[in-house]
Amino acid sequence: DAGVTQSPTHLIKTRGQQVTLRCSPKSGHDTVSWYQQALGQGPQFIFQYYEEEERQRGNFPDRFSGHQFPNYSSELNVNALLLGDSALYLCASSLAGWINQPQHFGDGTRLSIL
Amino acid sequence: SQELEQSPQSLIVQEGKNLTINCTSSKTLYGLYWYKQKYGEGLIFLMMLQKGGEEKSHEKITAKLDEKKQQSSLHITASQPSHAGIYLCGADIQGGSEKLVFGKGTKLTVNP
Repeated sequence: DAGVTQSPTHLIKTRGQQVTLRCSPKSGHDTVSWYQQALGQGPQFIFQYYEEEERQRGNFPDRFSGHQFPNYSSELNVNALLLGDSALYLCASSLAGWINQPQHFGDGTRLSIL
Repeated sequence: SQELEQSPQSLIVQEGKNLTINCTSSKTLYGLYWYKQKYGEGLIFLMMLQKGGEEKSHEKITAKLDEKKQQSSLHITASQPSHAGIYLCGADIQGGSEKLVFGKGTKLTVNP
């Protein structure tokens, strides 16, 4: 039973560039959420995708955008990268319709901005 | 301000000792989740609590949600080096939402 997989594991970019992170949800899950975790902090919710639509969004600027594909996998895109975007980006998956169920997390993508 | 406050921020214990980590909210916790994270890695789900007064145990870890559903505790009995890591509480504070808010985490070190 495949868990949540994310790619790449590490990424180094420079300010102003754009980046795309990828996530495949756990088998059987159809909802994907993205979180940003800065060093020494807890994860912060970016947005959630279900049925290829953004369903909820946290307090992040429009530079952060996403996409969900028909196979439920998802991408997180960040434009005009800032030094403050350096963080661990976590993807979590769940099954829609099951209230208060645990989200399953991937190992994350470590993004470093120079 | 942080919506979920965890205490302590860090904890160093000797192997075999018991310990407790707390997670407090000013809002009702509709679903409370405990996760463990190794440095720089993903979150491993430990336990989920929903009802006031609920208590769950798995191996040597027990989690409780108080009656008012605004505070949770995680208790580890007879700690082992394998318990070391960062413990995070996450919660649905909106009711029926999958948007989780997290505390900053508690870093646990267990010395052999």
